[in-house]
Amino acid sequence: GESVGLHLPTLSVQEGDNSIINCAYSNSASDYFIWYKQESGKGPQFIIDIRSNMDKRQGQRVTVLLNKTVKHLSLQIAATQPGDSAVYFCAENSDQFYFGTGTSLTVIP
Amino acid sequence: ETGVTQSPTHLIKTRGQQVTLRCSSQSGHNTVSWYQQALGQGPQFIFQYYREEENGRGNFPPRFSGLQFPNYSSELNVNALELDDSALYLCASSQGTLAPYEQYFGPGTRLTVT
Repeated sequence: GESVGLHLPTLSVQEGDNSIINCAYSNSASDYFIWYKQESGKGPQFIIDIRSNMDKRQGQRVTVLLNKTVKHLSLQIAATQPGDSAVYFCAENSDQFYFGTGTSLTVIP
Repeated sequence: ETGVTQSPTHLIKTRGQQVTLRCSSQSGHNTVSWYQQALGQGPQFIFQYYREEENGRGNFPPRFSGLQFPNYSSELNVNALELDDSALYLCASSQGTLAPYEQYFGPGTRLTVT
């Protein structure tokens, strides 16, 4: 089966600092990756995606980096805000979407 | 808000019973995927429906079944409920099935099996 894992289950950062959330995947055939944010009581919300033919993609305050050599994905959040507090999931797509376990991000005001 | 709605919000059932969960997809979307999210875990893919046909299935037993209707809304049915079926059930709608495509998730149905 697929293995999509996160290195750290929890992460606490000071407001204004940058956050980095990491994810490892196991299927080298996966060609599409997505980061989701899930707030309490809500469904996952799309943040940013990246195709396997790219190694970096930037959005508003977020950057996703893909290292296919070591099968590693990261999400960088710039100037983290209290509203960024949530659980973050990476997901890889091959024959279906496989989600990681999630990292809980807490932003300290 | 994504425009994807699910009903009911919460549900309590007894082991052995059957349950039907419902999902209305976002306007213009023809694909619905269902996920099971156990507490503290990431969503696990159950199956996907595209234009009323099942289009992929995860590692779930046949007692998990589904339907998609002409208006692209969908149902998830679970028979012979087990305690381990207690979870948040999420549906996600999208336009098409080929990556890259963005899935829009509903708020989920919290199912508790006692």
